Amino acid sequence: EAGVTQFPSHSVIEKGQTVTLRCDPISGHDNLYWYRRVMGKEIKFLLHFVKESKQDESGMPNNRFLAERTGGTYSTLKVQPAELEDSGVYFCASSQDRTGVQFFGPGTRLTVL
Amino acid sequence: KNEVEQSPQNLTAQEGEFITINCSYSVGISALHWLQQHPGGGIVSLFMLSSGKKKHGRLIATINIQEKHSSLHITASHPRDSAVYICAVSRNTDKLIFGTGTRLQVFP
Repeated sequence: EAGVTQFPSHSVIEKGQTVTLRCDPISGHDNLYWYRRVMGKEIKFLLHFVKESKQDESGMPNNRFLAERTGGTYSTLKVQPAELEDSGVYFCASSQDRTGVQFFGPGTRLTVL
Repeated sequence: KNEVEQSPQNLTAQEGEFITINCSYSVGISALHWLQQHPGGGIVSLFMLSSGKKKHGRLIATINIQEKHSSLHITASHPRDSAVYICAVSRNTDKLIFGTGTRLQVFP
């Protein structure tokens, strides 16, 4: 069974540009989470989908970040326009049950120059 | 102050040594998670526990709910155990709150 996949693995963009990150959860996992680690800091929660609905988006930094999960399958996280402080590693995780183990993707390393 | 604190931040050991990584938290939790990330690798869940102790191979995780403290032990450490070990907690909601991680290096 395929694990959680994320695309791209790395992205380097200039300040002001737009970037879209994609996450494909494990098939059948209704719960999908986005997390972010910025340099030297702990990983922090961004948001949580249950199927296609946003269950909790309390961790989204500001309105430059837009997450979608059309059809309850894969999810995208768009940053527009990107700022320097958006640099970091963006992780996606999925779980079958809300209180179950979360399976993480390999992460997307975003560098904003 | 972070809601989840880990110690030590960095740890070096000789192969075969017994290793302990500590995690303290300041909030009520529904579960505590230990995760592992190898250099250049993804994050893997090792344990999820809400009470007592769990063991998997050479890894043992314990939690004391009253003291809000958990430990991860590695017996007979091996260079392949070198990784970042991350403690995280979940509360009534299911999002994880992470510690900063402990970087472990085991030398042959």
